Order: sequence, then structure tokens, then C-alpha cells
Amino acid sequence: GDSVTQMEGPVTLSEEAFLTINCTYTATGYPSLFWYVQYPGEGLQLLLKATKADDKGSNKGFEATYRKETTSFHLEKGSVQVSDSAVYFCALSQRQEGGSEKLVFGKGTKLTVNP
Amino acid sequence: DTGVSQDPRHKITKRGQNVTFRCDPISEHNRLYWYRQTLGQGPEFLTYFQNEAQLEKSRLLSDRFSAERPKGSFSTLEIQRTEQGDSAMYLCASSLSAGGSKTQYFGPGTRLLVL
Repeated sequence: GDSVTQMEGPVTLSEEAFLTINCTYTATGYPSLFWYVQYPGEGLQLLLKATKADDKGSNKGFEATYRKETTSFHLEKGSVQVSDSAVYFCALSQRQEGGSEKLVFGKGTKLTVNP
Repeated sequence: DTGVSQDPRHKITKRGQNVTFRCDPISEHNRLYWYRQTLGQGPEFLTYFQNEAQLEKSRLLSDRFSAERPKGSFSTLEIQRTEQGDSAMYLCASSLSAGGSKTQYFGPGTRLLVL
């Protein structure tokens, strides 16, 4: 079945450092790809998404490019802030037979940014 | 738009008891999903509704679990004869089926602890 693998955490960075969180996927078709973020004590929020190959999703300084040839969707940010400390989840979805577009998530990567 | 709400936010119960959780989706959203998230893992899909019809169920959803969405509005997830292994965060998400986005918006979750 479809699956998502993302880099193990935790990741600890200093403020203004460059961030990369790797994500690769396995899917039979052409999924949509997502990054969700979970801040401490809060629910999951969509950070960015891409729906087809070579699309770049971006939001709040974060970017990720849908790479079909490497089945990857790595998350990057040029200069992290303390407020970016959270757990980041990579996910994919594909339309199922019953119409569902259920999300398949990676295990999450916890990011801590120190001042 | 008040977002997806879930009730209760926390539930502690004894093994063998029944529990019921409620999800209120964003008002115009006709798709509703339930997920389960255990500590250190990403959310896993449980079940999907389009309007009032339950169209997909995960193999994770044992016979002790039942979900309903009467009239295609709020949804309930009931767990009968709870077991310690049911301890997890139960997440609800909703989305539109028409239009381009289909982004799933998550509620804050119900954290269940089975003693």
C-alpha cells in the first residue's frame, strides 16, 4: 500500500539556521503531497501542498517541491525561528474507490529551534 | 467559519467501558474523516463519510468501533468494551468534495486514556 517515510527526529537547530526535513513516498498512482504541522497543544494544520509533479508548495517561508523522479517532497526553510518549533508531518493522498481521499502520514519529525 | 470542533477534548475511562466522541465539521463540508494518532506516530486513517454515507473503513476499525454521521452533519465515534490499546488521540477532519481544494481541516482531537 501507499506509504510515507520521513527523516527521524528530533531535529534541534539554532535560530536563523537552514532547515531540511526529508520525505519520500511510495504510491501506485499520482498522489497529492502535503506537509502538516502540529504546534504544542494544538491540532494539525496544513502547512503546504502540491498536487502534481514539479509543483512547489510554499507558505510562511517553508517550501517543498514535488519530485516524481525521486518520489520526494522535502521540506525546507532558509531561516528558522523559535516559533517554528513543532512536529512536522509529511502526508500523501490519492482518490480511493469509494471517493475517499484519505491521508497517509509519515511518523512526524519534531523540530526544536533554540534562540 | 468556526473550524472543526471535537468533544470531549480529554476522556479517561476504565477498561471495558464504552466511550463516545463527537465531531462537528466545518458547516458546508460534506466529507468527514476519523483518524487515530498514537504517541510518536503519525495519524492513521479509521473511516470516511461522504454526507451521511460511510464509504470506507480501515482494517484498524475493529468490531468494537462504530461511527455514524446522521443527516450528514456531526459525526460520532463509539468504542465499546475499551482496551488499554485504544489509548490514543482521535482526530476528526472535514473537507469539501467539490471545488479544487479538498484540503482536510483537522479538529483539536480527543485524547483517550484507558486505565
